[in-house]
Amino acid sequence: DTGVSQNPRHKITKRGQNVTFRCDPISEHNRLYWYRQTLGQGPEFLTYFQNEAQLEKSRLLSDRFSAERPKGSFSTLEIQRTEQGDSAMYLCASSLSSGGAKADTQYFGPGTRLTVL
Amino acid sequence: ELKVEQNPLFLSMQEGKNYTIYCNYSTTSDRLYWYRQDPGKSLESLFVLLSNGAVKQEGRLMASLDTKARLSTLHITAAVHDLSATYFCAVDILSTYGGTSYGKLTFGQGTILTVHP
Repeated sequence: DTGVSQNPRHKITKRGQNVTFRCDPISEHNRLYWYRQTLGQGPEFLTYFQNEAQLEKSRLLSDRFSAERPKGSFSTLEIQRTEQGDSAMYLCASSLSSGGAKADTQYFGPGTRLTVL
Repeated sequence: ELKVEQNPLFLSMQEGKNYTIYCNYSTTSDRLYWYRQDPGKSLESLFVLLSNGAVKQEGRLMASLDTKARLSTLHITAAVHDLSATYFCAVDILSTYGGTSYGKLTFGQGTILTVHP
């Protein structure tokens, strides 16, 4: 099964430390999204990549957050100087642009659960 | 700002019964999705609804879309325990950057469904 994969699955860190998460999308997918999900809520959009270009960043993505997608393949999300409020599940999704009015279903990875102590 | 509201947020059902989950959204949408999430797991795509009057069915689940009312429903027929999960609707608004259109999902709060014997 070549679905979306994310690593690590769980990360516990102390406040102030930096963390980096990785997402490997479905191989032929050119679109990649990051979402954040806190307990009891639906996922919230963070950022979007079309191939290697980061086309949109949510206001939720403070200066401490940075995302990259070198060469349009895997993506990384880094959080610097973590805060307790950063504790959440970070989800990556990918899709294939189909053009026109066709569906562009986003397929989600298993997520990285971050706990900031 | 787009708002997506689901109700009910909690649904406890007996096996064999029918029920409907409602998803209201505040602005014109291009596409509407239903996802399922099991505890500790990622989101699984259930349905994509593309146009007014669209109806899709898979097993005991049926989803419909009324774009004029900005309402989607997820109907559960003869519930079974395996359907216990959290169900999210998500609205896709197309954005455009440099001639490229892409979607980003805005999720409802989720409906936690528990099916009892």
